[in-house]
Amino acid sequence: GESVGLHLPTLSVQEGDNSIINCAYSNSASDYFIWYKQESGKGPQFIIDIRSNMDKRQGQRVTVLLNKTVKHLSLQIAATQPGDSAVYFCSWYLFMDTGRRALTFGSGTRLQVQP
Amino acid sequence: ETGVTQTPRHLVMGMTNKKSLKCEQHLGHNAMYWYKQSAKKPLELMFVYNFKEQTENNSVPSRFSPECPNSSHLFLHLHTLQPEDSALYLCASSHPRGPNEKLFFGSGTQLSVL
Repeated sequence: GESVGLHLPTLSVQEGDNSIINCAYSNSASDYFIWYKQESGKGPQFIIDIRSNMDKRQGQRVTVLLNKTVKHLSLQIAATQPGDSAVYFCSWYLFMDTGRRALTFGSGTRLQVQP
Repeated sequence: ETGVTQTPRHLVMGMTNKKSLKCEQHLGHNAMYWYKQSAKKPLELMFVYNFKEQTENNSVPSRFSPECPNSSHLFLHLHTLQPEDSALYLCASSHPRGPNEKLFFGSGTQLSVL
């Protein structure tokens, strides 16, 4: 699965450092947000989610922050490891022309962890 | 792994060929999706099926024809594709539970159109 990535912004960090990946979303009415991780040759995998009535949610080594005022999401990864190297996507629900909600994705950020 | 299996993993086809992509989910979900992933537009929604009924067609050209015979299987039939259709095609499934609806993805089919 190498179709994505030629023009992605890249964050390069040293192993053990903390990583912060940012995302701007487009729909102020979105009430639910998800971060996905995509490793080479695999599909996106769920990392963490947050509802719009929260500002922060913590998981294991990961924290998501939501700023609805400026429509901004961030993903913080503590003590970044080589296995964290991947492309990270934020996603949010968008209403389509049919009136139904569909999950929409940001353009992605490539995280490279240097040993 | 994720409970969503896609075949084939790789496909090369000419513009006059007809081929099909297959997706199967073992998660007991009721919704299935096709997404297209390319360098120009990462993760673009194509189709959505709920309980075997198509509920979303995101202005996809008719050379892509989806089929959902049951809640566990989803196909994408391809015919007379263009080179710009070369991309990674991802299938996903979910269990609609209201607003907190997570999608589970397969590993994708890497398609090259010559």
